[in-house]
Amino acid sequence: AQKVTQAQTEISVVEKEDVTLDCVYETRDTTYYLFWYKQPPSGELVFLIRRNSFDEQNEISGRYSWNFQKSTSSFNFTITASQVVDSAVYFCALSDSNSGGSNYKLTFGKGTLLTVNP
Amino acid sequence: DAEITQSPRHKITETGRQVTLACHQTWNHNNMFWYRQDLGHGLRLIHYSYGVQDTNKGEVSDGYSVSRSNTEDLPLTLESAASSQTSVYFCASSPGTRAGVETQYFGPGTRLLVL
Repeated sequence: AQKVTQAQTEISVVEKEDVTLDCVYETRDTTYYLFWYKQPPSGELVFLIRRNSFDEQNEISGRYSWNFQKSTSSFNFTITASQVVDSAVYFCALSDSNSGGSNYKLTFGKGTLLTVNP
Repeated sequence: DAEITQSPRHKITETGRQVTLACHQTWNHNNMFWYRQDLGHGLRLIHYSYGVQDTNKGEVSDGYSVSRSNTEDLPLTLESAASSQTSVYFCASSPGTRAGVETQYFGPGTRLLVL
């Protein structure tokens, strides 16, 4: 069965520090997708990125970057020069073809609470 | 702008009462999902639908039901509310083009307290 582990329950950093949020996944499928969502204190869930299992290129979007390594089943998320507005819970999620007969469902990790202090 | 909305945003009810949470999307998405979020558990799938008249059970479906009579709405009903159903509920949707995995977009959430 698919599983997503976010071992870091909480992380606290000082503004301008770089921070990496870890995500390790388990799947028996060769085709799968990985996602990151952000949940700021206001509570909504904001989509950040989606990657498929065939594309291991790292991605950078402004201060955000993602490192996908199939060899270690990891999809880690780094925020460079963190800001107070980055404070949120971050969720990693997996969707594969074993998600109940269709690859539309998401399995979420338990989330990492990031606090960026001024 | 197209969007996904949930109502009410906050609800307090008593044990044993029937409660319905609304979810409405204007993206014309085929797929809709209900999740609950609890501390220490992340988000867990309750029910989902791939189109009108289609509903399926998720990981934690006991005590919940859904119906899909049109594309835009997927109401979630707690048949007899229990304190264990105190949670934050999120609705999500995705296009449902059957072209592969799609990104799900979430509503703002409903905080439910069962006393």
